[in-house]
Amino acid sequence: RKEVEQDPGPFNVPEGATVAFNCTYSNSASQSFFWYRQDCRKEPKLLMSVYSSGNEDGRFTAQLNRASQYISLLIRDSKLSDSATYLCVSHTGGGNKLTFGTGTQLKVEL
Amino acid sequence: GAVVSQHPSWVICKSGTSVKIECRSLDFQATTMFWYRQFPKQSLMLMATSNEGSKATYEQGVEKDKFLINHASLTLSTLTVTSAHPEDSSFYICSARDRDLPGTQYFGPGTRLLVL
Repeated sequence: RKEVEQDPGPFNVPEGATVAFNCTYSNSASQSFFWYRQDCRKEPKLLMSVYSSGNEDGRFTAQLNRASQYISLLIRDSKLSDSATYLCVSHTGGGNKLTFGTGTQLKVEL
Repeated sequence: GAVVSQHPSWVICKSGTSVKIECRSLDFQATTMFWYRQFPKQSLMLMATSNEGSKATYEQGVEKDKFLINHASLTLSTLTVTSAHPEDSSFYICSARDRDLPGTQYFGPGTRLLVL
């Protein structure tokens, strides 16, 4: 079983739609979590950190459920520019090791 | 924001040659740098953790004699793919941890390697 699991998609949604991605993790020692965005043939870029209390950044909302070992990302009012692969990432230990999921591909269409 | 550069951006080489990739932190000091590899439609896989002034720590299944890592200064780590073969063709990405902000990792733009 992979340490961080995501549905690879692709999710094809119309512009303006609301879309949610889920992620599960298996290592209960994971300390913090992030969503990264990766465009085709580019490096991943930090989108937002994920907190148990939930956090929002503009159109993006992230949520962590430690009991279920589940992380979510909600994107409201999707834009064409949101088309990318969204990577769920866990952080474990003092060594600052990041574990990446395979990513969920989003395609926003006109 | 913090910037990490990688050089070269892409390289095409013949099988059997060695390729060196540089990773530099441009405006901060990085005691730790990380090397990842990403095959098409797969996740980033951590290959090794590079610590300034000491030996790198390799993940299970990564050959340390095949992928030589040198982290000689607080702003530079190099990855050398020795005797590259077509199966080594991949997207190699480094990241650097800011010494003064230990919870962060900044990613380089990646190096695309194609071995013919």
